[in-house]
Amino acid sequence: QQPVQSPQAVILREGEDAVINCSSSKALYSVHWYRQKHGEAPVFLMILLKGGEQKGHDKISASFNEKKQQSSLYLTASQLSYSGTYFCGTEMKTSYDKVIFGPGTSLSVIP
Amino acid sequence: DAGITQSPRYKITETGRQVTLMCHQTWSHSYMFWYRQDLGHGLRLIYYSAAADITDKGEVPDGYVVSRSKTENFPLTLESATRSQTSVYFCASSPLRGRTDTQYFGPGTRLTVL
Repeated sequence: QQPVQSPQAVILREGEDAVINCSSSKALYSVHWYRQKHGEAPVFLMILLKGGEQKGHDKISASFNEKKQQSSLYLTASQLSYSGTYFCGTEMKTSYDKVIFGPGTSLSVIP
Repeated sequence: DAGITQSPRYKITETGRQVTLMCHQTWSHSYMFWYRQDLGHGLRLIYYSAAADITDKGEVPDGYVVSRSKTENFPLTLESATRSQTSVYFCASSPLRGRTDTQYFGPGTRLTVL
């Protein structure tokens, strides 16, 4: 029941855009996105609760397609500070209060 | 204003020994979680707790025991450590206002089992 993330890793130059995808085989209630920098704890980015919902802050946004059980994280005009591992977490409709995280996507932004 | 802390930060132990990892939060969050992080697997949920004296299994609970006698503490015990339990362990807490909510992670404990 762990969600699938793609790509596994991506390298960007500053200013380039990236998309990270997350998909589940189960019906989803919510999708969570976290970022973890090397040697640090994961930090919350956003939660998407409704099908079709799009959220974002700064130049990082996300969408949630409830029917396809998929979410995508969009990073535009990437900055060096965006480097890290991005995790999606999925909460199934049938499983209350438990978030299952994917394997992560490693993002490296180079000058 | 410590937030959520874990101790020890680093631990080396031997196969077969019992070891307890501590997690303490100062926010009075109702929910607490234990995850292990291994390369290629991301964060895997071990156990979680909705309140004091209420705990439930996650994805990978075998070989672990938890308890929660006080809201602020959620210790994780490896009863007889094995090499496969070498990992980085993260504790998290959440106020869970409503159906779902943000999780706040501790700094992690790096455990090595020899």
